[in-house]
Amino acid sequence: NAGVMQNPRHLVRRRGQEARLRCSPMKGHSHVYWYRQLPEEGLKFMVYLQKENIIDESGMPKERFSAEFPKEGPSILRIQQVVRGDSAAYFCASHPAERFPGTDTQYFGPGTRLTVL
Amino acid sequence: GESVGLHLPTLSVQEGDNSIINCAYSNSASDYFIWYKQESGKGPQFIIDIRSNMDKRQGQRVTVLLNKTVKHLSLQIAATQPGDSAVYFCAENSGGSNYKLTFGKGTLLTVNP
Repeated sequence: NAGVMQNPRHLVRRRGQEARLRCSPMKGHSHVYWYRQLPEEGLKFMVYLQKENIIDESGMPKERFSAEFPKEGPSILRIQQVVRGDSAAYFCASHPAERFPGTDTQYFGPGTRLTVL
Repeated sequence: GESVGLHLPTLSVQEGDNSIINCAYSNSASDYFIWYKQESGKGPQFIIDIRSNMDKRQGQRVTVLLNKTVKHLSLQIAATQPGDSAVYFCAENSGGSNYKLTFGKGTLLTVNP
């Protein structure tokens, strides 16, 4: 069972460009989370999605950031007009639909490291 | 505000010793806690979890202790090995239908051979 996959692993953008980060959850998982990690800090929640639905985007900046999880294909985190402060590692996590003991754990992907020049 | 934090940012131990990493949380509604290990350049890796109806849970070489009275969580690693060197995060989930995790800042564990 493949783990959570993210691509690209490294992404370099110039200020003003767009960044697209992709996440494929573990097989059978229909819940996806995006987190952002600044150097030497813990992960900060950004957005929680289920297929075709945004459940909670309270951690995502109101402007320039958007996320989707279509019926088919990976989840996408999109950052428009990137600025230097967007440089960080972005992690995706997933877990199954059902909530019972043993399934609450979120499993993380390897992350995408975004560098804005 | 609600937060999860760690007492010590760094911990250095000798190979073979036991390690204890501590974590404090402030949300009394939290009902699920997880310890993650993060190696340089990688994503967080699940180590062990515990629910609020338990005080202790053991895994392979790891034990998590939960003290709800003082809102304290600890991770004990027995016979620490060089491969245990990493940053360790505690995370909590406040229950309900939203599973989002709140992470502490992390403790860097260094194991000296």
